[in-house]
Amino acid sequence: DTEVTQTPKHLVMGMTNKKSLKCEQHMGHRAMYWYKQKAKKPPELMFVYSYEKLSINESVPSRFSPECPNSSLLNLHLHALQPEDSALYLCASDDLAGGTDTQYFGPGTRLTVL
Amino acid sequence: SQQGEEDPQALSIQEGENATMNCSYKTSINNLQWYRQNSGRGLVHLILIRSNEREKHSGRLRVTLDTSKKSSSLLITASRAADTASYFCATDASGGATNKLIFGTGTLLAVQP
Repeated sequence: DTEVTQTPKHLVMGMTNKKSLKCEQHMGHRAMYWYKQKAKKPPELMFVYSYEKLSINESVPSRFSPECPNSSLLNLHLHALQPEDSALYLCASDDLAGGTDTQYFGPGTRLTVL
Repeated sequence: SQQGEEDPQALSIQEGENATMNCSYKTSINNLQWYRQNSGRGLVHLILIRSNEREKHSGRLRVTLDTSKKSSSLLITASRAADTASYFCATDASGGATNKLIFGTGTLLAVQP
C-alpha cells in the first residue's frame, strides 16, 4: 500500500467553525507533513512530524493546530480561519530510515472559508 | 524567499515533441526532486538527483543538475497528452531527520494531441 489518504476531499466552513482535516498512511513512514497550496502556486510547508513529534512549524498561525495521534495518522485542526486560508491542503509522508527522500502525497483537501 | 524559480512558467507542445523545463535554486542542496501535479490533485514524485550526480534517467525522463550554477533541467521525451500537468522542482537542504522540501514556482505543461 503506497497510498496517502486525506479526508474530506472538500470542506466549506465559516470563520467561526471548528473543523479537522485527516491524513492517513500505512506505509510505516515515520515523517508526516502538512503543506498549503494556493491556486497557481507551489506547495508551502506548514508542519513536519517526525516519530510522532512536531519537529518543524513554519511560523503557522495558531488557528491551525496539528496533531499526530499515532505513526499512521495526522490531523490538522482548524479554528477561526480567515477567507485567505482557503487553499488546497496537502499531506505527505516519507520513510526517514529508508534513505529515499521521496515524499508521498495525498490528493489533498480543498478548503473554502466563507 | 528560498523558493526556486522555474521556467518557462507555461509550455505548450504537440504530442511526440520533447519538453524541457528548467529550475534554479538559491542554497546548497542534498538533492533535487521533480514532482508532477495534475490539476488540483496531489503531487507525484518523478525523479530524484543527488548533489553528487550530474545526470539521471528514468523512462522518458532525463534530469540534469549543475550545482555550480544551482540549476537543474527536466526533459520529457516523446510527450503524450497524459503528460499534461504542472511540474515542480523541489530542493532538500535539510540534512536532518526530516526532508524539508522547498518547491519551485512550477511549469504548466500542456501537450496537445
